[in-house]
Amino acid sequence: AQSVTQLDSHVSVSEGTPVLLRCNYSSSYSPSLFWYVQHPNKGLQLLLKYTSAATLVKGINGFEAEFKKSETSFHLTKPSAHMSDAAEYFCVVSGGNRDDKIIFGKGTRLHILP
Amino acid sequence: ETGVTQSPTHLIKTRGQQVTLRCSSQSGHNTVSWYQQALGQGPQFIFQYYREEENGRGNFPPRFSGLQFPNYSSELNVNALELDDSALYLCASSLTGLGNSPLHFGNGTRLTVT
Repeated sequence: AQSVTQLDSHVSVSEGTPVLLRCNYSSSYSPSLFWYVQHPNKGLQLLLKYTSAATLVKGINGFEAEFKKSETSFHLTKPSAHMSDAAEYFCVVSGGNRDDKIIFGKGTRLHILP
Repeated sequence: ETGVTQSPTHLIKTRGQQVTLRCSSQSGHNTVSWYQQALGQGPQFIFQYYREEENGRGNFPPRFSGLQFPNYSSELNVNALELDDSALYLCASSLTGLGNSPLHFGNGTRLTVT
């Protein structure tokens, strides 16, 4: 069985300061992990993915995430927030087979303060 | 490269009616999955189609059904609509349908049931 928990429903940071969005997962086997971003009234866009290669994954728009198996975490970070980063972020876990369910976290709303 | 397109963008139906939502997958993708996103929640996996066969289903009742066509486009049908079916319905396509294959989302169909 798989599950994913996003530890914060809302995060507020000032523009130019670092961003940390936390995600913990549970999986009985090696999972694939993703972060997606959703801007208002839009579909979701892939930020980055982890699929058992390098544990530090770089994505688009300056985001990166580190897979830590010992902590079952896959936190999303960015060194310097930009106003355009304000959106909803979803952590996603998936198994390796086609019939594995895709599990989304409940999302973290990122607010950027001027 | 054509992205994922969904139609219609908005829809209003009455409780008890039936609705069909449509999705065109991204060029080259053979797998389509559907998600229900209630207001303020993360997307919930409904089902996935790979090469015209359903190969994964979430916790949704049988009145949620689907089809995938030879060109890999897809339909989501919902019968006997209930008020709680009001949500954003997202379609996503992927290259292989395997768990490590990123999802490419459309902008969704906003369904309101009155």
